[in-house]
Amino acid sequence: GNSVTQMEGPVTLSEEAFLTINCTYTATGYPSLFWYVQYPGEGLQLLLKATKADDKGSNKGFEATYRKETTSFHLEKGSVQVSDSAVYFCALIEYSSASKIIFGSGTRLSIRP
Amino acid sequence: DAGITQSPRYKITETGRQVTLMCHQTWSHSYMFWYRQDLGHGLRLIYYSAAADITDKGEVPDGYVVSRSKTENFPLTLESATRSQTSVYFCASSEEPRANEKLFFGSGTQLSVL
Repeated sequence: GNSVTQMEGPVTLSEEAFLTINCTYTATGYPSLFWYVQYPGEGLQLLLKATKADDKGSNKGFEATYRKETTSFHLEKGSVQVSDSAVYFCALIEYSSASKIIFGSGTRLSIRP
Repeated sequence: DAGITQSPRYKITETGRQVTLMCHQTWSHSYMFWYRQDLGHGLRLIYYSAAADITDKGEVPDGYVVSRSKTENFPLTLESATRSQTSVYFCASSEEPRANEKLFFGSGTQLSVL
C-alpha cells in the first residue's frame, strides 16, 4: 500500500542553519504531496503542497520539490529561526475511492538561539 | 468561533469505560477524519466520513465507533477503553481531499486510560 517515510528525529540546529528533512514515499499512480507542521500544543497546519512531478511548494521560507524519479519530497529552509521549532509531517493523498491522507511519522525540529 | 473544535481537551478514564470524544466544525466541510498520534507512529487514521451518514474505516478502527448524523459533528466513541488507546486524538475536516484541499485540524484531545 501507499506509505510515507521520514527521517527520524529529533533534529537540533542552531539559528540561521540550513535545514533539510527527508521524505520519501511509496504510491501507486501520481499522488499529491504535502508538508504539515505541528507547533507545541496545537493541531497540524498545512505548510506547503505539490500536486505533480517537478512542482515546488513553498511557504514561510520553506520549500519542497516533488521528485518523481526519486519518489521524494524533501523539506528545506535556508535559514531557520527559533520559531520554526515544531514537528513536521510529510503526507500524501491516496487516490482511490477513499479520500485519505497518509502521514509520515513526523520529525521533531528544535532550533537553538 | 468559527473553526474546528474538539472536546474535552484532556480526559482520564479507566479501562473498560466508554468514552466519547467530540468534534465540531463550522465550515460545513463534507469530509471529517479522526487520527490518533503516538510516538513512533505519527498520525494514524481511525475513521473518516465523506458526508453525513457515510463513514468508513481507516488504518486502526478496532475498538472505536463513529457516527455522523449531522454534517458538523463527528463524535468518536471508545466502547470499552483499553490502555493501548492512551493517545492524542485529532479530528480534522476538509472540503474535498482529492481536490488537494487541505485538512483543518482541531487542537487535539489527550486521552489517558488507566
